Amino acid sequence: QQQVKQSPQSLIVQKGGISIINCAYENTAFDYFPWYQQFPGKGPALLIAIRPDVSEKKEGRFTISFNKSAKQFSLHIMDSQPGDSATYFCAAKGAWGFGNEKLTFGTGTRLTIIP
Amino acid sequence: DGGITQSPKYLFRKEGQNVTLSCEQNLNHDAMYWYRQDPGQGLRLIYYSQIVNDFQKGDIAEGYSVSREKKESFPLTVTSAQKNPTAFYLCASSMRTGDSGNTIYFGEGSWLTVV
Repeated sequence: QQQVKQSPQSLIVQKGGISIINCAYENTAFDYFPWYQQFPGKGPALLIAIRPDVSEKKEGRFTISFNKSAKQFSLHIMDSQPGDSATYFCAAKGAWGFGNEKLTFGTGTRLTIIP
Repeated sequence: DGGITQSPKYLFRKEGQNVTLSCEQNLNHDAMYWYRQDPGQGLRLIYYSQIVNDFQKGDIAEGYSVSREKKESFPLTVTSAQKNPTAFYLCASSMRTGDSGNTIYFGEGSWLTVV
């Protein structure tokens, strides 16, 4: 049972373009939606996160868009750079103590930025 | 420096052997986790622990065991019962109260290969 579905599996974007990765979730008890960035051979690192009480959060070139009614959220990377080439994971979790506190990950998107 | 230390980085196991992966954190985090990462499957939760001397099974606990005798340590044993143990193993930790309880920090990972 996959509670967080992520697409696409891989993405190639030209330098300076916009990279968009999409995720959908099923569990309405989820109330925290982070995105992680992972470089080869390294552990994932938190990139940006959002709560469902806002529809958008921006940090530098990274923006999360959140649609609560559709149970979807997406990551937008503006002005994509070669250094952004990595694997990106969306994730979701709920509050502690209600059985939803485990962070559930999507399957990942391998992003490649080409010159 | 504060962080999560996993060791060894690379480990080779003969079939039928048990091996133990070490995870130590000095972030004073209450909760600790073990994830397994396989290509194309994202991160799957093996075990997690919210407090000392307590832990819960994740989604793929069969063939694995853990202990949590100290707050800063959460070792994972891959037993001979795990039929396909070759993977990248990630340890993580987080607080479990307040908003900061939602950020999960990862170690650098351990590569386990069965030979």
